[in-house]
Amino acid sequence: DVQLVESGGTLVQPGGSLRLSCAASGFIFSNYAMSWVRQAPGKGLEWVSTMSGGGTTYYADSVKGRFTISRDISKNTLYLQVNSLRAEDTAIYYCARDYLSPSGSLWYNYMDVWGEGATVTVS
Amino acid sequence: EIVLTQSPGTLSLSPGERATLSCRASQSVGRGYLAWYQQKPGQAPRLLIYGASSRGTGIPDRFSGSGSGTDFTLTISRLEPEDIAVYYCQQYDGSPRTFGQGTKVEIK
Repeated sequence: DVQLVESGGTLVQPGGSLRLSCAASGFIFSNYAMSWVRQAPGKGLEWVSTMSGGGTTYYADSVKGRFTISRDISKNTLYLQVNSLRAEDTAIYYCARDYLSPSGSLWYNYMDVWGEGATVTVS
Repeated sequence: EIVLTQSPGTLSLSPGERATLSCRASQSVGRGYLAWYQQKPGQAPRLLIYGASSRGTGIPDRFSGSGSGTDFTLTISRLEPEDIAVYYCQQYDGSPRTFGQGTKVEIK
């Protein structure tokens, strides 16, 4: 089964840092673009960052310069390093897989598999 | 960036009724690059519809999507109690990808 499992969420003080992890299984991790999407308490969904299958990174303006997405292909794990945390970064952070066509040639920026999320509280 | 506005904010219907959810974009979403997600209470989002009208894997056929350009619709043909959720649209034509603010579906 295709599965994404996040970890690393915690309570952190403003200005602090942490690293979120997302362990992937059931698919060829290195072929896929992977994304982080967050949801503040009682609010909607906000795209945060994406790493393409080729390793190119993309960030929302709200996190650019503070967050870093990376991956370890040998461990099938995606990471999000979050620095200089602010109260408005408080959210559930979801790891999600971007859709890849069956041929592997077309990548689309919508998410077909989601993890259960990791909670980050900045206070 | 493309701003998506969903309406209504909350929809209260009885089981078996038809639910119609709207998603309007601030500029044209090309190639029908619009997706819909369902998020049940306490759960992660789940992909329902992509390409404006194609159902995701395992999605019941009572869910359907339509629309193009700036106006898109998600329809639940016969509402079931398990359809209680918040529904989000998302465009993936422009950068950054953006979400609507969600429509909450309640059972009357």
